[in-house]
Amino acid sequence: DTAVSQTPKYLVTQMGNDKSIKCEQNLGHDTMYWYKQDSKKFLKIMFSYNNKELIINETVPNRFSPKSPDKAHLNLHINSLELGDSAVYFCASSLRSGGALETQYFGPGTRLLVL
Amino acid sequence: GDSVTQMEGPVTLSEEAFLTINCTYTATGYPSLFWYVQYPGEGLQLLLKATKADDKGSNKGFEATYRKETTSFHLEKGSVQVSDSAVYFCALHSGGYQKVTFGTGTKLQVIP
Repeated sequence: DTAVSQTPKYLVTQMGNDKSIKCEQNLGHDTMYWYKQDSKKFLKIMFSYNNKELIINETVPNRFSPKSPDKAHLNLHINSLELGDSAVYFCASSLRSGGALETQYFGPGTRLLVL
Repeated sequence: GDSVTQMEGPVTLSEEAFLTINCTYTATGYPSLFWYVQYPGEGLQLLLKATKADDKGSNKGFEATYRKETTSFHLEKGSVQVSDSAVYFCALHSGGYQKVTFGTGTKLQVIP
């Protein structure tokens, strides 16, 4: 019954590797997001998709590529991982992105450690 | 652009103490305002929200009032519990396809 789920929960990998994080929501929401939270808990939005269409693309290295096969899924692929990519990555969803009332529902996070 | 400023933490309180976490914002138009809470090892979850001036959001004993004149949305609780220990994020949304802007978070630690 998990509303927003992410896999894996933990990811430890070597510098230079390519990895993917998956996100699924079963809330029937139209909009999904990826956030990066650093060690100081600062939360930064990376991408937002509405109905499989990219609507927010913050200043993120192009090593990060989101993919939305359908509106219930938003995956994040990271190429050539660097030490600075170590963080917690949160997926979130909201019913739609066009209303100021929209609550975002967050997944449990994926803790990425690059060695 | 939009911005949210929160008081720096960590905030350490004894159980049953009064809590205030300050939040001020700058935004164009009339944003909606939110408080999210992040418990250790978990994702963020909505605590309360307010959509227009003078609205008061409340949940689980927490309250915050949307003050347009002071551009503030301070979080308060009359008597904190150990289980309230978490990181609290103030956020705003200006509507449309704008992103939600989060503050830097304030860590609250409540000791017995």
